[in-house]
Amino acid sequence: AQKVTQAQTEISVVEKEDVTLDCVYETRDTTYYLFWYKQPPSGELVFLIRRNSFDEQNEISGRYSWNFQKSTSSFNFTITASQVVDSAVYFCALSEASGRDDKIIFGKGTRLHILP
Amino acid sequence: AAGVIQSPRHLIKEKRETATLKCYPIPRHDTVYWYQQGPGQDPQFLISFYEKMQSDKGSIPDRFSAQQFSDYHSELNMSSLELGDSALYFCASSFFRKRAAKETQYFGPGTRLLVL
Repeated sequence: AQKVTQAQTEISVVEKEDVTLDCVYETRDTTYYLFWYKQPPSGELVFLIRRNSFDEQNEISGRYSWNFQKSTSSFNFTITASQVVDSAVYFCALSEASGRDDKIIFGKGTRLHILP
Repeated sequence: AAGVIQSPRHLIKEKRETATLKCYPIPRHDTVYWYQQGPGQDPQFLISFYEKMQSDKGSIPDRFSAQQFSDYHSELNMSSLELGDSALYFCASSFFRKRAAKETQYFGPGTRLLVL
C-alpha cells in the first residue's frame, strides 16, 4: 500500500530563517511520482514540484529546494530565507507512474507559520 | 494559460438536500479526478474518469455519483447530504497518453460545500 508520512504537524519559524519540511513515503511500486503542494489560507492547491522515482537529482527553484533520497524513502523540502507569504499548509504526495492507477495519495500536511 | 474551472465556488445546503458540483478540465485534457478535503484533513481521492468511463474509485460514498460528459466536463452529484459532507471538493485534470510518462494533474480552485 502507498503511504506518505509528514511527521511535522506544525512548524513556526521567524522570517528569514531556513526551514525543512520532512516527508517519508512507502510504496511497492518501482516507478512512482512524488509531489509537493502548497495550500495557502485561501484554499487552492498550488503545485510546487513533481519528481520521478528514477530522477534522484536534487532540485532548486529560487528559495525552494528538494532533497530526494530513495535509500531512505524521503523527499524533503527546504525553504531558504523564509517569508511571511510562505505561511501555508504543505502537502507531500505520491502516485504511481505506471499502469492506469494515478490517484494522488497525500500526506497529512505540515502547517508552516512564518512569524514576522 | 487556461486552468481547471470548478463551479460553484461556494455552496451552502441543508441536510438531506442534493448538490451538484461541476468541473471543466483544461482544454485537451481527457481525464478528471475528484478529491474531497475535510476541515484540517488532507485531500482524499474519490473517483476518476478517462474518456467518459470511470477509471478508478476511491472512498466515495454510495450517496455520491459522478460522470464525465462528451465535452470532458464532469459533475459530482451528492444526495442525502450529511453534516460530514462539508468539505472542500477539488477537481483535477490531466492528459493521459498511453505511451508516454503520466502527465501532471492540475487542480482546480475547489468548491467549498457547507452542509447545515
